[in-house]
Amino acid sequence: GENVEQHPSTLSVQEGDSAVIKCTYSDSASNYFPWYKQELGKGPQLIIDIRSNVGEKKDQRIAVTLNKTAKHFSLHITETQPEDSAVYFCAASRNQFYFGTGTSLTVIP
Amino acid sequence: DVKVTQSSRYLVKRTGEKVFLECVQDMDHENMFWYRQDPGLGLRLIYFSYDVKMKEKGDIPEGYSVSREKKERFSLILESASTNQTSMYLCASSTPLGGRGRAETQYFGPGTRLLVL
Repeated sequence: GENVEQHPSTLSVQEGDSAVIKCTYSDSASNYFPWYKQELGKGPQLIIDIRSNVGEKKDQRIAVTLNKTAKHFSLHITETQPEDSAVYFCAASRNQFYFGTGTSLTVIP
Repeated sequence: DVKVTQSSRYLVKRTGEKVFLECVQDMDHENMFWYRQDPGLGLRLIYFSYDVKMKEKGDIPEGYSVSREKKERFSLILESASTNQTSMYLCASSTPLGGRGRAETQYFGPGTRLLVL
């Protein structure tokens, strides 16, 4: 089955700096790569996703890049704000979702 | 907006008890899922369902069963709770697979934190 690895497990950045979280996957047939944000005491919420026919996607301060050849994809958050502090999960999917183990992001004011 | 609700935010049960976790979605989604979330392990799929009265085992089904009597409702059952089932349980729903096996976005509920003593 698919294996998704996510790094780093924890990340601290100063407010206004950028944050990058990276994931790798093993199954070349995976074709959908969502990113979720989970705030304390809440369920994961989709923040951005990308399909395998696209290399990059942006939504305001958030962007995702996909390198199918290398089988890795990354989440980029620019101009970080304290409310970006949360746990972020990547996933890779062809039908079933396989999740990374999460990155706890702390934005220091 | 998609809304997935779970019957309880927190539950405390004793070893050996039968536990029901309920999940309801209001978007007429065919697919529903149950995951457990543990620190350092991410989200692991327990069971899923593609239709009413239909269920499929996920990666860690042992000790669990499910019921889907209505399209909007998917229940997770712990037949005899054990301490190693202490966890956060997350329900999700999605539309069916798109063309050429295209995966679709899963929408999650707020989670139920279960403590088994």
